[in-house]
Amino acid sequence: SAVISQKPSRDICQRGTSLTIQCQVDSQVTMMFWYRQQPGQSLTLIATANQGSEATYESGFVIDKFPISRPNLTFSTLTVSNMSPEDSSIYLCSAVGLAVTDTQYFGPGTRLTVL
Amino acid sequence: AQSVTQLDSQVPVFEEAPVELRCNYSSSVSVYLFWYVQYPNQGLQLLLKYLSGSTLVKGINGFEAEFNKSQTSFHLRKPSVHISDTAEYFCAVTVRGSYIPTFGRGTSLIVHP
Repeated sequence: SAVISQKPSRDICQRGTSLTIQCQVDSQVTMMFWYRQQPGQSLTLIATANQGSEATYESGFVIDKFPISRPNLTFSTLTVSNMSPEDSSIYLCSAVGLAVTDTQYFGPGTRLTVL
Repeated sequence: AQSVTQLDSQVPVFEEAPVELRCNYSSSVSVYLFWYVQYPNQGLQLLLKYLSGSTLVKGINGFEAEFNKSQTSFHLRKPSVHISDTAEYFCAVTVRGSYIPTFGRGTSLIVHP
């Protein structure tokens, strides 16, 4: 299984600022994803991070608010732009491996609080 | 489209008692089924998965789940829980050929001493 790390693990930010979250996988993976988990809720898919091209966003999420990069097969970033308190959530990175393609593995998450 | 229903938002249980967390799904096509666990202040960890074959699947930490196609269920069980099993448990379904699971709303397992 892929081992996924995220930075930062948590942050407290002021409204109107932006935060970039990094996701690093220890092996090459086919697909990478970003999820949001609001307090006490389940996971909501934000977007699929595509290597070398624009991310594919789910309904309700836009590139201007959540720009995503994926420069290679093991790394991706998610930026939360112009933050408001409603953006306070856990942001999770996940990946599907090259060999085992039926399972998503998750990072430890980034806990974001916006004041 | 597929959907996942976790019938219990919270399940309190005493230590060493058995527990069952319920999960039902709906889908018009074949699916893969998963249980993930999220310990406090951590990410999601895969507990077990059903892809095909034996309908009884064993996972980590003594958990097991049984796929019941006629009931469209994938309930998670453990014969004797520990305090350390206190966590949020998510059932998820992926349509075969898709990479993206649909998650249930989660069940909070609370183990009391």
